[in-house]
Amino acid sequence: NAGVMQNPRHLVRRRGQEARLRCSPVKGHSHVYWYRQLPEEGLKFMVYLQKENIIDESGMPKERFSAEFPKEGPSILRIQQVVRGDSAAYFCASSPGLANYGYTFGSGTRLTVV
Amino acid sequence: GDSVTQMEGPVTLSEEAFLTINCTYTATGYPSLFWYVQYPGEGLQLLLKATKADDKGSNKGFEATYRKETTSFHLEKGSVQVSDSAVYFCALGGTTDSWGKLQFGAGTQVVVTP
Repeated sequence: NAGVMQNPRHLVRRRGQEARLRCSPVKGHSHVYWYRQLPEEGLKFMVYLQKENIIDESGMPKERFSAEFPKEGPSILRIQQVVRGDSAAYFCASSPGLANYGYTFGSGTRLTVV
Repeated sequence: GDSVTQMEGPVTLSEEAFLTINCTYTATGYPSLFWYVQYPGEGLQLLLKATKADDKGSNKGFEATYRKETTSFHLEKGSVQVSDSAVYFCALGGTTDSWGKLQFGAGTQVVVTP
C-alpha cells in the first residue's frame, strides 16, 4: 500500500500525558499537512511541513503542540500535557507539490483523553 | 482570506434520487477546487477536482463544474446508492492566501436510504 500511513489508529491518554502521532507520507511526497477534526466539525488546518522545515504553523495552538518532519523517518505531531479538549481525530495528508495538486489523506489517529 | 461555504446537512435521500450539494467559495487569485468524501471511521478520499474555470471534474458518477462567474463548485450525482452515504467536503487550494494548505468547508452529511 503506497498511501499515507498513520499510527496508531486509536490512542488513549490520561490528562497530563504526552501523545505522539506518526505519519509516513506517500513515497516521493515531500509535503506533509496535519489537520484536526473535532466531533461534528470540519477539518481545521494545523501545520504544513516539508522535510526538516515548518512552512506554515498558523493553525497550531501556541502551547503544548509541536510538529516535525525529519530528514529520515515519519512526521510526528506531539501534544504535551493533553487535556480533554484535545480529544479529536488527527489526520495527516501528503502531496508531491503545492496543495493545488490535491492531498492524499491517511486514515487518521483518534485521540481520546480520559 | 479564502473560505468555502457548503450546504448544511444532513441531506437524506432515497436510493436512485438525484443529489446536489452546493459549494461556493471566496478566494484571491485562481484556486483549484476539490471534493473529498469521508466514510465513517475513515480518512478523506479525493473524489474529484478541477484546476481552472469551466473545468468539469468527474468520478464514480459524481460531477462538479468550476464556475468562476458564480464562484461555485456544486457536486451532483444523478442516481445515488446506499453506499454513497458519507460526509462530503468541498475544498480549495493553490491561491496566494492558502499557499500550501487546503481550505475545507464544514462538510455535508449525506444519508441514502433503501
